[in-house]
Amino acid sequence: QKEVEQNSGPLSVPEGAIASLNCTYSDRVSQSFFWYRQYSGKSPELIMSIYSNGDKEDGRFTAQLNKASQYVSLLIRDSQPSDSATYLCAVSRNNDMRFGAGTRLTVKP
Amino acid sequence: KAGVTQTPRYLIKTRGQQVTLSCSPISGHRSVSWYQQTPGQGLQFLFEYFSETQRNKGNFPGRFSGRQFSNSRSEMNVSTLELGDSALYLCASSPWTGGENTEAFFGQGTRLTVV
Repeated sequence: QKEVEQNSGPLSVPEGAIASLNCTYSDRVSQSFFWYRQYSGKSPELIMSIYSNGDKEDGRFTAQLNKASQYVSLLIRDSQPSDSATYLCAVSRNNDMRFGAGTRLTVKP
Repeated sequence: KAGVTQTPRYLIKTRGQQVTLSCSPISGHRSVSWYQQTPGQGLQFLFEYFSETQRNKGNFPGRFSGRQFSNSRSEMNVSTLELGDSALYLCASSPWTGGENTEAFFGQGTRLTVV
């Protein structure tokens, strides 16, 4: 079983729609959860961090965490073509951060 | 504030050679992690250093090694290069000093090609 699992996609949504990205993890004592965005040929860029159960909103992005279900998600509202990228879920315990394989998102104009 | 700096950006090496990659973290950050990224395997954790000590290590062979200096700069070394070592090597720095986890920030990476 992989430590962090994501649907590889590709996920395609029309411009203006909500994109929903999901992630599950195996380590029950994981403490911190992150979403990174990676454009083709670039390095990962941190877009959201979440540390406690519930929702965390930042602009068009909402991260959701459910530790009991070992599940993290990212919602992107009003998706834009510039959101087209690979989204990486990361899970950390004691500063040991592991990544999922990423979900490729395409937002079509 | 300068970001994470990795050098060199691109490298071409021959099988059997060794290579050293360098990472300068964000000023004030003492934690440095290294990752290997390939299309087939995604981002794989190599190791993490804090205050010159390796704290965590991923599942890579002993050919992959690293170190951290007193100024928090880090290097990773790969000996006896294999074709499969061709990848993007990413360094991430974090202000973590213990306890709660903190966010990590990536450098631009070093693209290593082994021929």
